[in-house]
Amino acid sequence: AQKVTQAQTEISVVEKEDVTLDCVYETRDTTYYLFWYKQPPSGELVFLIRRNSFDEQNEISGRYSWNFQKSTSSFNFTITASQVVDSAVYFCALSETNVYGQNFVFGPGTRLSVLP
Amino acid sequence: GAVVSQHPSRVICKSGTSVKIECRSLDFQATTMFWYRQFPKQSLMLMATSNEGSKATYEQGVEKDKFLINHASLTLSTLTVTSAHPEDSSFYICSARDLNIHDRTNEKLFFGSGTQLSVL
Repeated sequence: AQKVTQAQTEISVVEKEDVTLDCVYETRDTTYYLFWYKQPPSGELVFLIRRNSFDEQNEISGRYSWNFQKSTSSFNFTITASQVVDSAVYFCALSETNVYGQNFVFGPGTRLSVLP
Repeated sequence: GAVVSQHPSRVICKSGTSVKIECRSLDFQATTMFWYRQFPKQSLMLMATSNEGSKATYEQGVEKDKFLINHASLTLSTLTVTSAHPEDSSFYICSARDLNIHDRTNEKLFFGSGTQLSVL
């Protein structure tokens, strides 16, 4: 069965600091998909990134970057020059293909507080 | 981008009443929708998978008679919490798969904005 671990329950940083959110996953499938979602206080889930297991290329999008390491089963997320608006709960998720289609297993989430 | 609309965003009801939550895909067809539950400061837990035209698949421990799911069309799934009790108070959120994405390697799930249910 698949599993997602986010060891950091809560992180507090001061604005403009860089912060890395860790995500470690477990799966027996050779094909799988990894995601990061942001959940601001309003509650909705905001899609940030999808990474396929066969694509290990790291990605940068503005202040966000992701480091996918299959060898360590990790998919870490870094925010550079953090801003107060980055304060939210961030979820890492893993999806395996099943007969009904993809469903997600979410990690427990990391609550990020960016202080002014 | 694809949008999933979820209503209501917040509902307060008395114990024993039933509450219906709607999840609509606004600009795409969704053969499969998923319902999640989230307790305060906890992660999202999958409750059930809703398939258009067939019965929903419930995760272990989720009472199908308590949480009725109907997916009667390609754009609408509903979750009805029957005879709600205070322990059903939670944040419920749905997600939907886009049927018409031809490149499945880039498929994403789109999430609704969630429903905060408070049962008094």
